[in-house]
Amino acid sequence: AQTVTQSQPEMSVQEAETVTLSCTYDTSESDYYLFWYKQPPSRQMILVIRQEAYKQQNATENRFSVNFQKAAKSFSLKISDSQLGDAAMYFCAYRSAYNNDMRFGAGTRLTVKP
Amino acid sequence: ETGVTQSPTHLIKTRGQQVTLRCSSQSGHNTVSWYQQALGQGPQFIFQYYREEENGRGNFPPRFSGLQFPNYSSELNVNALELDDSALYLCASSSKRGGSTGTDTQYFGPGTRLTVL
Repeated sequence: AQTVTQSQPEMSVQEAETVTLSCTYDTSESDYYLFWYKQPPSRQMILVIRQEAYKQQNATENRFSVNFQKAAKSFSLKISDSQLGDAAMYFCAYRSAYNNDMRFGAGTRLTVKP
Repeated sequence: ETGVTQSPTHLIKTRGQQVTLRCSSQSGHNTVSWYQQALGQGPQFIFQYYREEENGRGNFPPRFSGLQFPNYSSELNVNALELDDSALYLCASSSKRGGSTGTDTQYFGPGTRLTVL
């Protein structure tokens, strides 16, 4: 079964600085999708960025980018120019291309210091 | 464009009771997935509904059941509630084409906080 591991329960970053959140996953499948979701205290899970495994180019969305290393099964999220509104729980998620089960990691709580 | 909505926001039940949670999918979406998120953990997949039928299920017992209606809204029903069912229940909608699985990105609702006493 696929598993997703986020080894950093908590991270802290100074406003305007850059922070990287780690995620590794375990799978024997070749085709899948990876996601980073943000969950602020309001509880609503918000999609941050998505990566298709068949694409070699790393996904980028404004200040958010990923470092996708397929061979190493690593999918880290880089947040540049951190803002106070970035403070939240961040979840890494894996979705097989063959079924509907999306697997989430345990999350990383990001604190942004002014 | 209307986002995913869920009701109620909070709910308190006692052990052994039954509960129904509701979800309205985002405009244009035909698929609904349900997740259970225990405190301090990531969401766990319960099941997905597509074209009013269950289209994949996680490791949850049969007392967790669901429905999807012609307007693509959905219900999650939990029978014989247990204390461990206390959690945030999240609904996510997506747009699935021709039964394909991986291309749809899921958009989440704000969740229903269920407390079982």
